[in-house]
Amino acid sequence: GAGVSQSPRYKVAKRGQDVALRCDPISGHVSLFWYQQALGQGPEFLTYFQNEAQLDKSGLPSDRFFAERPEGSVSTLKIQRTQQEDSAVYLCASMTGRRSETQYFGPGTRLLVL
Amino acid sequence: GENVEQHPSTLSVQEGDSAVIKCTYSDSASNYFPWYKQELGKRPQLIIDIRSNVGEKKDQRIAVTLNKTAKHFSLHITETQPEDSAVYFCAASRGSQGNLIFGKGTKLSVKP
Repeated sequence: GAGVSQSPRYKVAKRGQDVALRCDPISGHVSLFWYQQALGQGPEFLTYFQNEAQLDKSGLPSDRFFAERPEGSVSTLKIQRTQQEDSAVYLCASMTGRRSETQYFGPGTRLLVL
Repeated sequence: GENVEQHPSTLSVQEGDSAVIKCTYSDSASNYFPWYKQELGKRPQLIIDIRSNVGEKKDQRIAVTLNKTAKHFSLHITETQPEDSAVYFCAASRGSQGNLIFGKGTKLSVKP
């Protein structure tokens, strides 16, 4: 079946612009995670949803970052007033949430803030 | 919170040799330890995982060992091939309710 998909794959933004990144999880997956991966580093946790409920947002670096999953499927990560330090790959992962811990990753959105 | 340390950061081996990557974790409540392979510009792909009730798991040329007492786990790749060249990440979590905490990665180069 289809895996996790993300769009856009690449995004160039001018400093101060708002951006919205989309994640389509595997159909039926209850859990959804967002991670930020800086160049040459491992992914770092941003936020976690179980269905439409945002259960953990402790990894969001500032109040400029906002995530939602209103219908418990597609999720959007929004970054307001982008800064150069926001440049990174944003990865989405989904998990069945039913007795399985395996997280399946999307291809990521590479964000470059100029 | 959890902290995962990974070594070495780079590893170069000859084709056919074995490669070993080691990770340590700090949170004794962590109970799930996956390993991901990430090729340049691609998504992380799960290659093997182990849960805390198991000490070792093997899948063809890949094996993972876990020492809960010492809080460390290792990835072993035997008979390496050039296509094994990639960045490998270890991670730890508290299972299905927890996010993954990743190590910084190991860049493996397999020379033909």
